[in-house]
Amino acid sequence: QKEVEQDPGPLSVPEGAIVSLNCTYSNSAFQYFMWYRQYSRKGPELLMYTYSSGNKEDGRFTAQVDKSSKYISLFIRDSQPSDSATYLCAMSVTAGTYKYIFGTGTRLKVLA
Amino acid sequence: GAVVSQHPSWVICKSGTSVKIECRSLDFQATTMFWYRQFPKQSLMLMATSNEGSKATYEQGVEKDKFLINHASLTLSTLTVTSAHPEDSSFYICSGRESNQPQHFGDGTRLSIL
Repeated sequence: QKEVEQDPGPLSVPEGAIVSLNCTYSNSAFQYFMWYRQYSRKGPELLMYTYSSGNKEDGRFTAQVDKSSKYISLFIRDSQPSDSATYLCAMSVTAGTYKYIFGTGTRLKVLA
Repeated sequence: GAVVSQHPSWVICKSGTSVKIECRSLDFQATTMFWYRQFPKQSLMLMATSNEGSKATYEQGVEKDKFLINHASLTLSTLTVTSAHPEDSSFYICSGRESNQPQHFGDGTRLSIL
């Protein structure tokens, strides 16, 4: 079993839809959770950074962490074709630890 | 804020040559920098971690003599692929982190060895 599981997709949605992206994990010691967006042939761009359980909102993006279920989500409201990219979740045990454990990434396609 | 610049973005060279890739943090001090390798449609594979002024820590299976990493300042790290061969062709991405902040990534370098 992988330490972090993420559905690779592709996930296709119409423009304006609400998108839900998810990751599950097995290590209960993870406390820091990140979501990155990666366009083709580009480096990952940090979207959300959360600590422990709860919700965090930034514009059209909402990150949720449920540590009891070992499950994190990223919601994208009013999705746009420009949101088409690969979304990577990442986790770490501490803020200072140098290793992130990444999911495999979910490819999202938002259709105009 | 938190911009990481990586150069070159694409390099093609002959087998046997060495290639240097630069990674710079433009608006923060990267106490730790990381080098990743990414294969098509796969996630990031950590190659090594470097702290400013210290020797890099390499992940298991990564040849330290082939992938030389230098982190001489808080804003610059370099990865040199020595005696590159076609199997070294890949997408290399660096990231930097200041203190306990999250990692910020460069835009990657596409390396093609002929």
